[in-house]
Amino acid sequence: GAGVSQSPSNKVTEKGKDVELRCDPISGHTALYWYRQSLGQGLEFLIYFQGNSAPDKSGLPSDRFSAERTGGSVSTLTIQRTQQEDSAVYLCASGGGVKGGEAFFGQGTRLTVV
Amino acid sequence: GDSVTQMEGPVTLSEEAFLTINCTYTATGYPSLFWYVQYPGEGLQLLLKATKADDKGSNKGFEATYRKETTSFHLEKGSVQVSDSAVYFCALSGAGSYQLTFGKGTKLSVIP
Repeated sequence: GAGVSQSPSNKVTEKGKDVELRCDPISGHTALYWYRQSLGQGLEFLIYFQGNSAPDKSGLPSDRFSAERTGGSVSTLTIQRTQQEDSAVYLCASGGGVKGGEAFFGQGTRLTVV
Repeated sequence: GDSVTQMEGPVTLSEEAFLTINCTYTATGYPSLFWYVQYPGEGLQLLLKATKADDKGSNKGFEATYRKETTSFHLEKGSVQVSDSAVYFCALSGAGSYQLTFGKGTKLSVIP
């Protein structure tokens, strides 16, 4: 596609439920990032995929968070047993996989846990 | 580790005023430096970038110069417009890294 696509754009879920957030990166991009943006806060790095290498999971806040990337393309971020503090905008970005290169962001998924 | 520090907002300016948003960084080697902009209700967009010392990135009237000696990448615009109201993020990507490190963002409001 022309840009990074994320779905759903909005998600409201009950506390304790699991949610899956999807990201379709720009075609041909080998690098894929997930960030979280809480209200009034900056961007918090969650996880990074680069090609077939093991992902950098150093930013995942707890073991309730996991992500996978199938076939080097689409990625799914899963949050299990959601908590109210998980409410945030989850941003996905992709890049050309060049060290020092920029990333291109999707519109984000706004997650609200009630 | 790598880090980015940018001036805290919010910043409120009148239309046609001069804008400076300060950004300094800590990184080993020669990182690439970026400014991203997030308009209300939208995702982040790359505004400009610089990949080596003394490079100047520019776009839409905004400029930033990569200053290795002061480890800075300040964003400037000579005459802001209401449409420039947004949150601006300074970021870096380490020379040997794929990861992007962001500052906390600076909210700019431009009033007519």
